[in-house]
Amino acid sequence: DGGITQSPKYLFRKEGQNVTLSCEQNLNHDAMYWYRQDPGQGLRLIYYSQIVNDFQKGDIAEGYSVSREKKESFPLTVTSAQKNPTAFYLCASRLAGGKEQFFGPGTRLTVL
Amino acid sequence: AQSVTQLGSHVSVSEGALVLLRCNYSSSVPPYLFWYVQYPNQGLQLLLKYTSAATLVKGINGFEAEFKKSETSFHLTKPSAHMSDAAEYFCAVSYPPGNQFYFGTGTSLTVIP
Repeated sequence: DGGITQSPKYLFRKEGQNVTLSCEQNLNHDAMYWYRQDPGQGLRLIYYSQIVNDFQKGDIAEGYSVSREKKESFPLTVTSAQKNPTAFYLCASRLAGGKEQFFGPGTRLTVL
Repeated sequence: AQSVTQLGSHVSVSEGALVLLRCNYSSSVPPYLFWYVQYPNQGLQLLLKYTSAATLVKGINGFEAEFKKSETSFHLTKPSAHMSDAAEYFCAVSYPPGNQFYFGTGTSLTVIP
């Protein structure tokens, strides 16, 4: 089945540790996105990538980093510089020329 | 700046009653408009979209929405609520050419048996 997978579904991290969230898609989509979701705040864009080896900061990029070495993969690293990383993280993708974004199932990150 | 406003962070309806979830956007440029649904601890699923074709858009699960340019609105409706409709609903807009999305803060729908 075609779709977007995110792993792990639940992730626990100690303060001061970096952690990487995985996002893989087999839809052959060109653009990929990372969002952070907090209660009552909707979705906020962290980073996005329109093509391989290129990505842009979104509205809340501080404390996060990404890479786009392959079309199907767009991992997100939450660094120790992110002051409040506990949240639900959603990955999405979009076909070039398409209008809608398709979402993965999400990863819930909790900092202990 | 582009923005999306969803009026009512929580809406409760009785089973079988009309569902109306409100969405307004602020832009002088006609956007693309979307409604997504999210069940607890899951990703977002597209319900329907408006991309400058027919102004009345039908989606999955019996939902529909009407684009009203004069009111800058894209309200989501369903004639008869089911228990399975209980979820979080997000309105989103995007603008060409980059098609970056802007999301509303969401409306939590409760269906009362």
